Amino acid sequence: DGGITQSPKYLFRKEGQNVTLSCEQNLNHDAMYWYRQDPGQGLRLIYYSQIVNDFQKGDIAEGYSVSREKKESFPLTVTSAQKNPTAFYLCASSRDRKMNTEAFFGQGTRLTVV
Amino acid sequence: DQQVKQNSPSLSVQEGRISILNCDYTNSMFDYFLWYKKYPAEGPTFLISISSIKDKNEDGRFTVFLNKSAKHLSLHIVPSQPGDSAVYFCAASETGANNLFFGTGTRLTVIP
Repeated sequence: DGGITQSPKYLFRKEGQNVTLSCEQNLNHDAMYWYRQDPGQGLRLIYYSQIVNDFQKGDIAEGYSVSREKKESFPLTVTSAQKNPTAFYLCASSRDRKMNTEAFFGQGTRLTVV
Repeated sequence: DQQVKQNSPSLSVQEGRISILNCDYTNSMFDYFLWYKKYPAEGPTFLISISSIKDKNEDGRFTVFLNKSAKHLSLHIVPSQPGDSAVYFCAASETGANNLFFGTGTRLTVIP
């Protein structure tokens, strides 16, 4: 069954620690994306990758880093430089290098800084 | 600066009636619009889309209307069902871009 898998579903982090969120897809999609959702706000783009070994900053990339070593995987690291990391993080992928009807979202990871 | 706006944070509708969710945008370069449905603690799922060359797109109980001159689109659900209760996000993109701009969402509650 094809889809996008994000893990873990819930994550707690102490202040000052880096944490990595996993995103894996078996849809053979070229493009992958990370979005952040905060209460009362729409989804905002953190990073995107159109192809392996290439990625671009989105609107709110500060304090985050990504890698795209494999087509199937696009992990997101929330670094200690991210001032307000508590949020719901969503990973998505699309067959084409555009966000359109082919975009599929994972189930999300809720990160809480304690 | 919010380029896609959903001014109604919530909407309640009786089962069987029509639900109308509204969305406004400011960027005239947007030419593709989508609606996503989201349940709590889950990722959004695609519902329906419309290109700027059309003013209406229908898929079963769901119809999206686009008014380019007003920079406004709406999603109609007829008839509304309790399973439609979710948060609905409007999103817009520009041809060639790599980003979808999302609204803040409208929580629809369909009352049985």
